[in-house]
Amino acid sequence: DQQVKQNSPSLSVQEGRISILNCDYTNSMFDYFLWYKKYPAEGPTFLISISSIKDKNEDGRFTVFLNKSAKHLSLHIVPSQPGDSAVYFCAATSGGSYIPTFGRGTSLIVHP
Amino acid sequence: DAGITQSPRYKITETGRQVTLMCHQTWSHSYMFWYRQDLGHGLRLIYYSAAADITDKGEVPDGYVVSRSKTENFPLTLESATRSQTSVYFCASSVPGRLNTGELFFGEGSRLTVL
Repeated sequence: DQQVKQNSPSLSVQEGRISILNCDYTNSMFDYFLWYKKYPAEGPTFLISISSIKDKNEDGRFTVFLNKSAKHLSLHIVPSQPGDSAVYFCAATSGGSYIPTFGRGTSLIVHP
Repeated sequence: DAGITQSPRYKITETGRQVTLMCHQTWSHSYMFWYRQDLGHGLRLIYYSAAADITDKGEVPDGYVVSRSKTENFPLTLESATRSQTSVYFCASSVPGRLNTGELFFGEGSRLTVL
């Protein structure tokens, strides 16, 4: 039973446009949500996170939105750049277990 | 600052062979993890360790063995490799101050092929 779901395996966006990556979760006990970015032949790296007490967190071109009532979060990248092409993993943790549970990932391709 | 390193980066073996993937970190992080990445499954936790000599199972532990005699090392052993264990394996580490927000530090991965 997947607790963190990324239903879009891939996304293709034009350079300069907005990229929106979506993530749904089922466990209402999750209290921290994260996005990791992974380039080919490299390990995932932490990108941005949000606490369940907030609904938005922004870091430069990256913004994460959290809708607790819908159990949904999204990552917005504006403007998208070719270097953003990577696999993005959504993850979540709960106070009872700090170990993150990951989604299946979304492969983002930003075309020049 | 070497960080977290995995070896070998690439390994081809045969069914039934024993394989050990090494993980070494220089940060003295208390927590260490092993994940596997498979197409369609994302990252799944195999085993983790909260400190030396303390290990626990994750989501997919069957067929794997871990040990942690020293804080900096966390080897993963496949005692009798099967084709279903063909995957990319990632080691990660963290400390409580970062882990409570889910932040892990990953190695570059070890790609294992079992023929």
